[in-house]
Amino acid sequence: SAVISQKPSRDICQRGTSLTIQCQVDSQVTMMFWYRQQPGQSLTLIATANQGSEATYESGFVIDKFPISRPNLTFSTLTVSNMSPEDSSIYLCSVEVGTQLNEKLFFGSGTQLSVL
Amino acid sequence: AQKITQTQPGMFVQEKEAVTLDCTYDTSDPSYGLFWYKQPSSGEMIFLIYQGSYDQQNATEGRYSLNFQKARKSANLVISASQLGDSAMYFCAMREVSGGYQKVTFGTGTKLQVIP
Repeated sequence: SAVISQKPSRDICQRGTSLTIQCQVDSQVTMMFWYRQQPGQSLTLIATANQGSEATYESGFVIDKFPISRPNLTFSTLTVSNMSPEDSSIYLCSVEVGTQLNEKLFFGSGTQLSVL
Repeated sequence: AQKITQTQPGMFVQEKEAVTLDCTYDTSDPSYGLFWYKQPSSGEMIFLIYQGSYDQQNATEGRYSLNFQKARKSANLVISASQLGDSAMYFCAMREVSGGYQKVTFGTGTKLQVIP
């Protein structure tokens, strides 16, 4: 498994501001993933972050709104920019651990974001 | 078409009884993986159990077992001897190759409530 530390665990932010969420893993991993979970909904993948390259964003998510950094193999950040109340969600980082084609996905503790 | 279908929005189970949470999936990728996660009210996503598409035997982890029926494309989670602490949302997820890279898709979840 993997130990994933994510912070902040929760925050309340004002409209128009930005919040950066940090994710630290206790081992080196190739890919890190960022998910969003809107209230009462399932998880939706925002982007995949590889070390040393631009993140790959899913349909409906853009770099200007959700810039991602991946400076090394154990750390990543997701910024939620120019926030609006619609951005109120749980944001989760995750990593894959295991052998090829048998990887398991583990999650950080999540960041509960409320935008006023 | 939905990749992952969880048809039970909510379930009740008596404490100490067993409960089955349903999950069906749809993929044309011969190599895929199936996951179950527990999400308590705190929001964290807790990995429970994993089944690879080539695994011959059903996965088991303590009180959790995965009833994998490949021909029917179902991967039901069985929780034995339910405890009050099992009350949570449960998500089924599938990893497959999509657009040239691996992607994990989540179902809509089942809310399980354990009754004393």
